[in-house]
This record gives sequence, structure tokens and C-alpha cells, in this order.
Amino acid sequence: GIQVEQSPPDLILQEGANSTLRCNFSDSVNNLQWFHQNPWGQLINLFYIPSGTKQNGRLSATTVATERYSLLYISSSQTTDSGVYFCAVGNTGFQKLVFGTGTRLLVSP
Amino acid sequence: GAVVSQHPSWVICKSGTSVKIECRSLDFQATTMFWYRQFPKQSLMLMATSNEGSKATYEQGVEKDKFLINHASLTLSTLTVTSAHPEDSSFYICSANLGKPPYEQYFGPGTRLTVT
Repeated sequence: GIQVEQSPPDLILQEGANSTLRCNFSDSVNNLQWFHQNPWGQLINLFYIPSGTKQNGRLSATTVATERYSLLYISSSQTTDSGVYFCAVGNTGFQKLVFGTGTRLLVSP
Repeated sequence: GAVVSQHPSWVICKSGTSVKIECRSLDFQATTMFWYRQFPKQSLMLMATSNEGSKATYEQGVEKDKFLINHASLTLSTLTVTSAHPEDSSFYICSANLGKPPYEQYFGPGTRLTVT
């Protein structure tokens, strides 16, 4: 099956810093989503981005499908950005998702 | 829109008993729902795909007789953990999509199961 690797596994930032999270996947996909899992476990949808570039406030994402990677950019990070960021991909008709290994982000004041 | 709820949010049960977890799509109809399991500090692993009106499709290594899935309506899927054991303690999360492109998945808040 498809493999999804994220880097870095852990990231510590000072408030206000920028960061780039990477997601590599091993096969072509027709679904790619980025999520933020908050401390209570809730997965929050950030982007649905199987290809192209999107921006939402301080967050933006780019997926280069032909090269099988996606990037999530966080600018001017805030303490509330702390948590685990997952990318998940799908390439089947039922659209089931395979989750990446996650990036654990800690933003300190 | 696209809100998914789960009940209960946490449950404690004794070893050998069964526990049912509900997943509801609140503002849309979901012909397909998905059940995931997450152990502490790990990623989410898909357990099964739940299809309304038909049998669920289980991922390799997931015991069908232990994790019973019923998708009896377009807004409700249930996961029953039968004869629970301490190793079944985990965070169970369901999701659903709108059933049409772009197939973005929306996740419930999760259910934390502890088996004593």
C-alpha cells in the first residue's frame, strides 16, 4: 500500500517564527488533506489539496503531485498552533485515507 | 457544515464486556463512513470502511468478529468492541465525506476507550 512520511517528526519554535512541514508519499494520489490534531484529539481540517497551492490566513499548502510531496507552511506561529500535524492521502475509489507519521509542533511564548 | 459527532466521548468498561460507539453525520448524509484507531503518540490507522446498507470492509489484520460495524442509516454508523480486553484501550475516531467530489473527509471528536 501507499506509504506516507512526514518530516520533521518534532519541531520546537518560538512564537512568531515560520516553519515548513513536509509530506512525502509513495504513489499517485487523488486526495490529500492536512489536519491539525488539537490536545483533545480532535482533527481539524486545514486543507484539501491533492494538487496546487492554497492559502488560509497564516497557513498555506502546496502539493506537487508529480513529485509526490506536499508542504504546509505556518507563518508567524502562535502558541495555539501547537499540536500534531498530519497529512493523509487517498488513491482509491472509496477515498479511504492513509495517514502520515505526523509532525509534533510546540510553539513556546 | 459537514459536522460529525461521536458518542460517548469517553468510556471505561471491564474486560470481557462489549461497548458500542456511535458516529453521526449531523448536517449531511454519509453513504460511507470510516473508523480509525489511534494509540498514544502514534498516527491514525484505518480499521474499516462502513457502507450504508451493506457489510463493512475491514483492513488487513482487523478482526471482524471483534469490531462489529453497523451502518443502518445515512447518518449513523456504530462500532461495537466485543469481549473487550485491555489491549483494545485506544482512541477511536470516525470520519465521513459528502459522497461526492471533492471527497474531503470530516472527522468526529473521537472516543477514548479504557478497558480495565
